[in-house]
Amino acid sequence: GMPVEQNPPALSLYEGADSGLRCNFSTTMKSVQWFQQNHRGRLITLFYLAQGTKENGRLKSTFNSKERYSTLHIKDAQLEDSGTYFCAAQSSGSWQLIFGSGTQLTVMP
Amino acid sequence: GPKVLQIPSHQIIDMGQMVTLNCDPVSNHLYFYWYKQILGQQMEFLVNFYNGKVMEKSKLFKDQFSVERPDGSYFTLKIQPTALEDSAVYFCASSRTGGGGQNTLYFGAGTRLSVL
Repeated sequence: GMPVEQNPPALSLYEGADSGLRCNFSTTMKSVQWFQQNHRGRLITLFYLAQGTKENGRLKSTFNSKERYSTLHIKDAQLEDSGTYFCAAQSSGSWQLIFGSGTQLTVMP
Repeated sequence: GPKVLQIPSHQIIDMGQMVTLNCDPVSNHLYFYWYKQILGQQMEFLVNFYNGKVMEKSKLFKDQFSVERPDGSYFTLKIQPTALEDSAVYFCASSRTGGGGQNTLYFGAGTRLSVL
């Protein structure tokens, strides 16, 4: 299978709702990053994790290398959260980030 | 946050011509990357560059592609000659470290390359 599988491919939320995205890895990864790609195509770095959990405002991300997954949780969704969210993981011995296929998030009023 | 600048934002070129995409990475970063995204598809790694050398490249990094960063100026991706399938958005990224530690990559806004 794909080295990085991201779910769901698309997600619609009402303002104020909470939800989560998930990436599963086919092999052990040493780190993961989460990005938001806005409607202009710009990639905004949200998190870098080598392990554990990080929070930033309404966003929280967890990376479990041993269990081969990472999650991104969005709390109290706002209209400006709309965009495509990508996880990207780096395996040992490689420089490259392997991107998931993205989750297209639409937040509705 | 740290800013990576890419110039130009859009480039239109005839098939067979040469094109150079320019990237101004974050000032204290040492590792530089190019990624390619075809419309509606996921981001794919092209190449990583450090200390004047290509460290890793993918199969998408064809022989027609080259990268350099002469004298600490722009980090460039050159395609010579261009082909129709090179049409995509090319993202430059940079990081302070190459692996281990906080290897956070910061991306530019992309250069949309249209090969006609």
